[in-house]
This record gives sequence, structure tokens and C-alpha cells, in this order.
Amino acid sequence: SSELTQDPAVSVALGQTVRITCQGDSLRNNYASWYQQKPGQAPVLVIYENNRPSGIPDRFSGSSSRNTASLIITGAQAQDEADYYCNSRDSSGNLVVFGGGTKLTVL
Amino acid sequence: QLQLQESGPGLVKPSETLSLTCAVSGGSISSSNYYWGWVRQPPGKGLEWIGSVYDRGHTYQNPSLKSRVTISVDTSKNQFSLRLSSVTAADTAVYYCARHLVNVEKSSTFFDSWGQGTLVTVSS
Repeated sequence: SSELTQDPAVSVALGQTVRITCQGDSLRNNYASWYQQKPGQAPVLVIYENNRPSGIPDRFSGSSSRNTASLIITGAQAQDEADYYCNSRDSSGNLVVFGGGTKLTVL
Repeated sequence: QLQLQESGPGLVKPSETLSLTCAVSGGSISSSNYYWGWVRQPPGKGLEWIGSVYDRGHTYQNPSLKSRVTISVDTSKNQFSLRLSSVTAADTAVYYCARHLVNVEKSSTFFDSWGQGTLVTVSS
């Protein structure tokens, strides 16, 4: 079982704001990173250390509080419909874990 | 622009060893601060970290797979490899290679460049 917990599915109306969360004890001391994965494609890094890599739209942002990390999409677009995974170090700080993933539907 | 490309057999028999190679182009595998990792995804399921290697051969792996996993790096060919022994049907997955950044000072870890992935099926 994953040390990082995500809601299996979330939906958002087109143009609205959505928050996708990732919970785990290791997040109290470690940053989460976030990946977008569309069907048949490799994951793409969208947030690391609450920063956006070059080329990622500024509607994507990250935040964290206590044991929860959040990926926020402000003004969701149809092309944002995808699976989203969080990733961090485990509680020992020595290993790597992924959350179970959240399927985002844009209505 | 960094590119990673996985290669290897798409079909492996049960109990045999899965072997994959990731060729890196557009950058040196010996670049400091980077690990090089393997992540897999069973059909219809989530991502699972397998392990990562530093250019001088230091590796660390997922404990659930550690006894079966060997990850190595060949700096002369700018590539790194995965071997997974004693495979079963549960090892059927898309296998991705990726560049892995570990920032100990910031308590951060992330994969910033990925290969396209290769499907490996374990079946007789």
C-alpha cells in the first residue's frame, strides 16, 4: 500500500478551480511533486517543490500544509483531463513513493 | 533537450529475467546531482518506483522489489539498465526510465524527464 493517499476521482466544471490532494506523514517534512498522465502517454512533471517546470501553464500551482500537499488548477481546461499522481520521499526519507493517482474529469 | 528511450524484449517468460536499457541523449548521464530511475505501471494501475542509480553506481531500490532488482549505469554508452529476476505475471507493466533529482537540502525528490515507456508482458 502507498504511503501517499489520493482521492481516486475528482471532477471540475470547465473554467472552475479544482484542488487535488495528497496525504501522508512524510509530507510533513518533504515536498511533493505532481505528474499529469494522459492515456497512452508518459507522465509529465507539472509541479516540484511548489514550483512549475518551464512550459507548464501558470494555472497549475502547488501548496502544502501539515501532512497534505495540494495541486491546484485555477480555471481548468478540457485538456487538463488526465490522471494526476503525487510523489515524495517516504517517512524514512530514503526511498521514493507515489500516490495512487487521481482521475480528473473536466465537465 | 534531454531524451530518454527504453529498449528491450516486450515478452518475457515466467521465472526468467527482464532486461531493459535506457539510452540518454541530449545530456550526459554523468551530470552531477542526478539519479537515473525506473518506474513501472501495471495495466490500468498506478505508478510504482522500482529504483534509481547514481552515475558512480550507487543505487537504491524499492524494498518490495529489492532482492530481484539490479540497476546499473554505463557512462561510456550514456545509458543505464534494469534487470528484474524471477518475473511473474504481476511484473507485467509499462516500464519507464526517467531522470531523477534528489535534493536532500530541500527534502525533495522528483522525476523531470521521462522516456515514452515500453510494455513488458510476462507470459509463457
